[in-house]
Amino acid sequence: NAGVTQTPKFRVLKTGQSMTLLCAQDMNHEYMYWYRQDPGMGLRLIHYSVGEGTTAKGEVPDGYNVSRLKKQNFLLGLESAAPSQTSVYFCASSYRGLAANEQFFGPGTRLTVL
Amino acid sequence: DAKTTQPTSMDCAEGRAANLPCNHSTISGNEYVYWYRQIHSQGPQYIIHGLKNNETNEMASLIITEDRKSSTLILPHATLRDTAVYYCIISYSGGSNYKLTFGKGTLLTVNP
Repeated sequence: NAGVTQTPKFRVLKTGQSMTLLCAQDMNHEYMYWYRQDPGMGLRLIHYSVGEGTTAKGEVPDGYNVSRLKKQNFLLGLESAAPSQTSVYFCASSYRGLAANEQFFGPGTRLTVL
Repeated sequence: DAKTTQPTSMDCAEGRAANLPCNHSTISGNEYVYWYRQIHSQGPQYIIHGLKNNETNEMASLIITEDRKSSTLILPHATLRDTAVYYCIISYSGGSNYKLTFGKGTLLTVNP
C-alpha cells in the first residue's frame, strides 16, 4: 500500500496563478483532510471531507476550495494564489467513527507563492 | 478542545527512556489524549491515544494521571530516529468533531 500520496511535492507560483494539489489514499478511508503548516507553527485545518461528494470548512478555509469526487481522492485548489499561501500543505485520511483522529498523513507539498 | 502545555524542547540520550510531559488541566470527561510526532520535513505520524487508562503499543506508552489533567508519553528506548517534534492533542474521538488542533509541540532531540 502506498498510503497517502500527494502531488506535486514542490511548486512555485506567481501571485494570481491558480493550481490544484492532489491527494490520494489507498486505504479505503472515509475521511480526508487538508492542513497547512507555516514555519514555527503547528498544523492548521483548511478543509475536510467525511465522504465522497461532501466537504466542509476547517479553521483557515479562505482562499481555498476542495472537491471529493472520488472516495480515494481529495483535491485542494487555489484559484488566485497569494504570498500568504506560501506554506507546506499536508493531506491526511482516516477511518470514520472512533478512529477518526488516528490520521495518516502524506509527505507534504511545499508551495511558494512569489 | 482543551488547551495543552508542553515544554518547548527536551534532550534524551540514545538508549534511555524519553518521558515527554503534557498538561491539559481543562480536559473534558469524554476528550481523549492523542500523541503525534513529526520528523523533520515529513508528515505527522500518529503514535498513541488514551482516555483514562494507561496505554501501550509497539511505539510508546501513555500514562494519564488519575485526575486526567496531565499525561506523559514514554519512548522506552529512544533512538536517533526518534528525534522529532511531539504533539500532545486533546480531542473528542469520532462523532462530529474531526479537528485535531496541533500546537507547537516539544522538540525531542536524541543524542548519541
